Amino acid sequence: DAKTTQPNSMESNEEEPVHLPCNHSTISGTDYIHWYRQLPSQGPEYVIHGLTSNVNNRMASLAIAEDRKSSTLILHRATLRDAAVYYCILRDVRDDKIIFGKGTRLHILP
Amino acid sequence: DVKVTQSSRYLVKRTGEKVFLECVQDMDHENMFWYRQDPGLGLRLIYFSYDVKMKEKGDIPEGYSVSREKKERFSLILESASTNQTSMYLCASSPPTWRRGDYGYTFGSGTRLTVV
Repeated sequence: DAKTTQPNSMESNEEEPVHLPCNHSTISGTDYIHWYRQLPSQGPEYVIHGLTSNVNNRMASLAIAEDRKSSTLILHRATLRDAAVYYCILRDVRDDKIIFGKGTRLHILP
Repeated sequence: DVKVTQSSRYLVKRTGEKVFLECVQDMDHENMFWYRQDPGLGLRLIYFSYDVKMKEKGDIPEGYSVSREKKERFSLILESASTNQTSMYLCASSPPTWRRGDYGYTFGSGTRLTVV
């Protein structure tokens, strides 16, 4: 399985944008980039996914580098409820399973 | 909204007991998964299933088995519970990747199992 690398933790101020980076230098052409987050005492929650183009949804935006070797999850205006562990995952379209890494623990400062 | 329901939020069992963890989803998803989550180790895939009667081993299947008799239900079985199986167990479901549209996983809230 292709691997992703994320910082262990990040901090951001409330109401400011947050950029969560992810490196995936061994990504293959059949890998989609997925992001999940896990709030305290809950199961992971799907956030967004993309293949090559940048993606927006109601929760976040996903910016994908042109060579696809890195991506950034953007939370446009962080709130205290966004404090969570964020996982960047590669999902191969030939294989429906996903393997989680350690993720980034995001702390939001009031 | 897609719902994945795990039968118990907290469970305490004795060493050697046979334990059943139940998971039910209501969105007609083909794929279902069982993970366990431990501090410092993250989420690890135990077993998964692409359809009824089908099962595949994940990364840590030892000591576990699964059952998928109906599409909506995926059961994780601990044949003889041991203390090292004390963990948070998470079930998830998803449509197959060949189905267009959003095919993210939907997770249940988890079952915290303690084996004493």
